[in-house]
Amino acid sequence: GAVVSQHPSRVICKSGTSVKIECRSLDFQATTMFWYRQFPKQSLMLMATSNEGSKATYEQGVEKDKFLINHASLTLSTLTVTSAHPEDSSFYICSASPPGRGLVGGTEAFFGQGTRLTVV
Amino acid sequence: DAKTTQPPSMDCAEGRAANLPCNHSTISGNEYVYWYRQIHSQGPQYIIHGLKNNETNEMASLIITEDRKSSTLILPHATLRDTAVYYCIVIPRGGGNKLTFGTGTQLKVEL
Repeated sequence: GAVVSQHPSRVICKSGTSVKIECRSLDFQATTMFWYRQFPKQSLMLMATSNEGSKATYEQGVEKDKFLINHASLTLSTLTVTSAHPEDSSFYICSASPPGRGLVGGTEAFFGQGTRLTVV
Repeated sequence: DAKTTQPPSMDCAEGRAANLPCNHSTISGNEYVYWYRQIHSQGPQYIIHGLKNNETNEMASLIITEDRKSSTLILPHATLRDTAVYYCIVIPRGGGNKLTFGTGTQLKVEL
């Protein structure tokens, strides 16, 4: 199956600093990737759609200047949490889907293993 | 996208079948039922999807009612490693990539 890899899996940073999270599709090209955030005991919430070669599309309520997304190649999207604060501590997850898998009804999404961000 | 309703939690004995229900009474004709699961502190994992016929793969079976207003995910022989949150998601045809997760069902498989 398709593999999506995130790095790092865990990161601790000081309040006010920036943190970059990478999402890579290892064996397929992805023109679109998705970033989700998950707080403890809650479900995943879509933050933004990362589009290769163009600007990301953010969901309502997500600050685009705080969560910078760059999708510079067909296999890599990065999420940078700028000026992080303790309330940004969360589990960040990316997903992507291989094109043209031929499944009826669309393709399944493949998820990275997630990045646990703790801001102290 | 149609909304789904799932019980918040279920328990199952190891080796027994786990039957996880999902209500999607407002599903439309071009929407598929997808199931994902999330083991603690990991990214979600695709399980199965279907339109109106029952589906089976190496992980599970999906039973969709004739009126398509509900479905059941069946794990035929649950193991401890199947303990996870299971999400039922309705997605339009051609979709499958951008997901709206509900609260899911926390399945706990016990000895």
